[in-house]
Amino acid sequence: QVQLVQSGPEVKKPGSSVKVSCKASGGTLNNYTISWVRQAPGQGLEWMGRIIPLLGIPYYAQKFQGRVTILADKSTSTAYMDLTSLRSDDTAVYYCAGDSMTGRGWFDPWGQGTLVTVSS
Amino acid sequence: EIVLTQSPGTLSLSPGERATLSCRASQSISSSYLAWFQQKPGQAPRLLIYGASTRAPGIPDRFRGSGSGTDFTLTISRLEPEDFAVYYCQQYGGSPLYTFGQGTKLEIK
Repeated sequence: QVQLVQSGPEVKKPGSSVKVSCKASGGTLNNYTISWVRQAPGQGLEWMGRIIPLLGIPYYAQKFQGRVTILADKSTSTAYMDLTSLRSDDTAVYYCAGDSMTGRGWFDPWGQGTLVTVSS
Repeated sequence: EIVLTQSPGTLSLSPGERATLSCRASQSISSSYLAWFQQKPGQAPRLLIYGASTRAPGIPDRFRGSGSGTDFTLTISRLEPEDFAVYYCQQYGGSPLYTFGQGTKLEIK
């Protein structure tokens, strides 16, 4: 099974942007849709959006429309999540997670998570 | 928007006991698109159950999912020490496309 390997922790200033990567190991992203899910400290899981890497088509949760961009590079089997205009309440662990191209409806595999800290 | 409400918020039990976790949807959802995850501190969520009742590969048979429509249940028949964690239900196909319940923390009594 493909493993998803994410980039390392980030510390950002309010108002700046962050870009987190998610690379497939042991395979490609071609058979998956890749979603981004975040988890604020001590809180639950929140879905932000997804991309179909084979087609390059993103779809965003309404809450994040205009502030998040999800991309995929087929040549490197890497997905990216770019979040702009960062605020302190964007401090969270950001996970990438895979669903099938046909939309099985559940996430497996998951990346290991990337902690993004927004602080002045 | 489909809202998933999990209960109880915290469940305190002892190893060997039976745990029953509830997930209620604000509107009817397809059983095919209801999943359960386990999350331990510092780890990514782990898929336990998909399609409301199918165990993911490698998941022990003490974990059982059931339910339909708006009411779903995760039952752990005999708690092992490694089962104490936070559990989330998740649905697909509504708006937003994926939503999670707020979680149930299963703690050692």
